[in-house]
Amino acid sequence: QSVLTQPPSASGTPGQGVTISCSGSSSNIGSNTVNWYQHLPGAAPKLLIYSDNQRPSGVPDRFSGSKSGTSASLAISGLQSEDEADYYCATWDDTVFGGGTKLTVL
Amino acid sequence: EVHLLESGGGLVQPGGSLRLSCAASGFTFSNYAMSWVRQAPGKGLEWVSAISDSGAGTYYADSVKGRFTLSRDNSKNTLYLQMNSLRAEDSALYYCARRSHYGSAWYTDFWGQGVLVTVSS
Repeated sequence: QSVLTQPPSASGTPGQGVTISCSGSSSNIGSNTVNWYQHLPGAAPKLLIYSDNQRPSGVPDRFSGSKSGTSASLAISGLQSEDEADYYCATWDDTVFGGGTKLTVL
Repeated sequence: EVHLLESGGGLVQPGGSLRLSCAASGFTFSNYAMSWVRQAPGKGLEWVSAISDSGAGTYYADSVKGRFTLSRDNSKNTLYLQMNSLRAEDSALYYCARRSHYGSAWYTDFWGQGVLVTVSS
């Protein structure tokens, strides 16, 4: 069981928005930045957000990250079918990962 | 284009050893810290180990400390993970990954496709 808590599942319909939460504590999220990764089955994980809210080049602006206190969130707007994947938060220089959230696009 | 190609996985008995390799291309390998992250069947991602760009610093998860050794050969653009005293719970898909930083905050910006390690009798 991870020290970072994510909901095991989330869902939305195409075009909708969805938010995935990541809850930690003062010793992890509260004192370190948060990164987010997208993992499609059979593929390499992909960096979506780094340092709480920075988006790498090539990642659509539909993906955004935020952090407040000991919790972080990944927001996805305008859901697309290809967004169906597992999403992981990570902190403490990526030595601690959340348990992952499986996003289903209905 | 950044490319990370893992090899060396396979089936090994409990207590056995394996050495994973990761061949890097498309970037200046010696300028980047690297890491291994694993995913057990049906489970989430778990950080295993990291190494500094020069190889002088190595870091391990408690679950593998004393059993795994991470090293690199910058002349060959290759990362190695020596895994000894393997246990069933080490069975996983092992990903080689490149680390970058934004200020003092580190993140993983590229991942390989992974190599499968199965520990079973």
